[in-house]
Amino acid sequence: QVQLVQSGAEVKKPGASVKVSCKASNYIFTNYGITWVRQAPGQGLEWMGWISTSNDDTKYAQKVQGRVTMTTDTSTSTAYMELRSLTSDDTAVYYCARLLCSGGSCYGRSNYFDNCGQGTLVTVSS
Amino acid sequence: SYELTQPPSVSVSPGQTASVTCSADTLGDKYVSWFQQRPGQSPVLVIYQDNRRPSGIPDRFSGSNSGNTATLTISGAQAADEADYYCQVWDNSAGVFGGGTKLTVL
Repeated sequence: QVQLVQSGAEVKKPGASVKVSCKASNYIFTNYGITWVRQAPGQGLEWMGWISTSNDDTKYAQKVQGRVTMTTDTSTSTAYMELRSLTSDDTAVYYCARLLCSGGSCYGRSNYFDNCGQGTLVTVSS
Repeated sequence: SYELTQPPSVSVSPGQTASVTCSADTLGDKYVSWFQQRPGQSPVLVIYQDNRRPSGIPDRFSGSNSGNTATLTISGAQAADEADYYCQVWDNSAGVFGGGTKLTVL
């Protein structure tokens, strides 16, 4: 079955950076994109962005634009999400998910994502 | 920015039908996905492209989308369905989530 296994919990100080990994297995990595979603404690889901694994196109949420970088390593079927200049507002569980990009384009309106990873708790505290 | 509105909570008796709504301007022009999230767990896709069910999702879950409102319907609600439910769409290729609805089965 499709699996996305994320890296472990992180504790960071304000102003630092964090890089979360998401290793995919049991499907052809480059046939799907990867999207990232986060959830602050007791709050709802917040979309952060996506990356196409076939051409490295990216789309980021305006809220994190300029602070986030999403990358992939197709040789290891691993996606990465780096978030810089952390503040306490970035404390959250971060999820990666497989993104089905219709017709090979992650810009399509009919795209959807499934198979979330187990989540990675990032705590930002001084 | 595009906003999706969901009721904060919905209650249903076991075996009855629950409806969770998601509202926004011209929502019917977009495809809606629905996610279920049980406490302490990752989100699970239960409906995509308005009314399609991923494999493994019971046919008790169904979806519709027209006008300004999308609806997730859970027929014959069970205790296991108690969870938070989120609607999601794409707006100019950016993801947007509703605020979530807590479904209580009692």
